[in-house]
Amino acid sequence: EVQLVESGGGLVKPGGSLRLSCAASGFTFSTYSMNWVRQAPGKGLEWVSSITRSSGYMYYADSVKGRFTISRDNAKNSLYLQMNSLRAEDTAVYYCAREVAGGLPLDYWGQGTLVIVSS
Amino acid sequence: QSVLTQPPSASGTPGQRVTISCSGSNSNIGSNTVNWYQQVPGTAPKLLIYNNNQRPSGVPDRFSGSKSGTSASLAISGLQSEDEADYYCAAWDDSLNGRGVFGGGTKLTVL
Repeated sequence: EVQLVESGGGLVKPGGSLRLSCAASGFTFSTYSMNWVRQAPGKGLEWVSSITRSSGYMYYADSVKGRFTISRDNAKNSLYLQMNSLRAEDTAVYYCAREVAGGLPLDYWGQGTLVIVSS
Repeated sequence: QSVLTQPPSASGTPGQRVTISCSGSNSNIGSNTVNWYQQVPGTAPKLLIYNNNQRPSGVPDRFSGSKSGTSASLAISGLQSEDEADYYCAAWDDSLNGRGVFGGGTKLTVL
């Protein structure tokens, strides 16, 4: 059974940092691109970042470029999102999701981890 | 302001057919495939349609997708109460070195 489990969310002050993790199981992690998608409270989905299978390419939304870094460890079946210089508008539930093919079809999602940026 | 434009709401009665539109541009829908997601509030999104009109295993054939030019549509026939959810279109966008884009979402109410 495919499972994605996010962790690392919490309350952080503006300007602070947080590292999210996503533990994958039930599939060959190294053969899929992975994505982070977030959802602010009461708002819609926002794509954040994606990384290709062997970390050859990383892509970011303009809203997080230069502040967030996506990475993965295929040996540990894990996806990460390092978030620096956090702002109040980064407050959201962060989902990791598996991309089944090119073009953003995300077929499996984690349950999400909540990040709150507040003083 | 989302890159892909969806109506904020839609509604229908049980058994009806409902369509939800998604409008984009040449850099996203015009040159890439469209995906649709269903999200029941409080839960993670679920892939409903991928590659414009393909259904993942387990998605009823009441759900169908289409694309023409820079627009796409999701149709739900034989509307059921459990279809009440938020629906999002998404696509890859080739501008700005590549990025993913979502629509703002459409809240479907089954009357």
